[in-house]
Amino acid sequence: DAGVIQSPRHEVTEMGQEVTLRCKPISGHDYLFWYRQTMMRGLELLIYFNNNVPIDDSGMPEDRFSAKMPNASFSTLKIQPSEPRDSAVYFCASTWRGVDTIYFGEGSWLTVV
Amino acid sequence: QQPVQSPQAVILREGEDAVINCSSSKALYSVHWYRQKHGEAPVFLMILLKGGEQKGHDKISASFNEKKQQSSLYLTASQLSYSGTYFCGTESGTASKLTFGTGTRLQVTL
Repeated sequence: DAGVIQSPRHEVTEMGQEVTLRCKPISGHDYLFWYRQTMMRGLELLIYFNNNVPIDDSGMPEDRFSAKMPNASFSTLKIQPSEPRDSAVYFCASTWRGVDTIYFGEGSWLTVV
Repeated sequence: QQPVQSPQAVILREGEDAVINCSSSKALYSVHWYRQKHGEAPVFLMILLKGGEQKGHDKISASFNEKKQQSSLYLTASQLSYSGTYFCGTESGTASKLTFGTGTRLQVTL
């Protein structure tokens, strides 16, 4: 199995630009999570989906952040407009409830200058 | 609310033991433990479900006290490969919503 695939792995963008992060979960998994990791706040859950439906987006910091899951094999996290404080590593993860183990992608390292 | 881990950091000599604690203010359904090496994704170690069971493989084990809403990770005869940041993740109320702790940085030296 290829695991959870994220792109881009690294992105440097200017403040005000739109950023789109992409994720392909493990085939057959019905839960998808977006996490953000920073030194100050650790690993924060932003939003998660079950069967492509957003279940809890209470962790999304503000309206500049949005996430979609148009089908079972693809999800995006969009930041518009981006700000320097959005600089972080964004992890996508997936699981199948029957297994409970959550598998993480390798992360997207975002730097907003 | 984020579970609290202690200690925040620990340095061990190879072969020494360590205990990492995870404490939550909410009633827990399960506790997950992950290890993350610098620049990499968190990797699953084990999950403990409600019921107070203890699990382990090799020289790493964990316990879960649901009454106290606490879990502990035990690292025995540590190896250099154990170095990394350890996170507990807790599920409470809403199934599958995993909230991660503050992390414990472990360094094993020769």
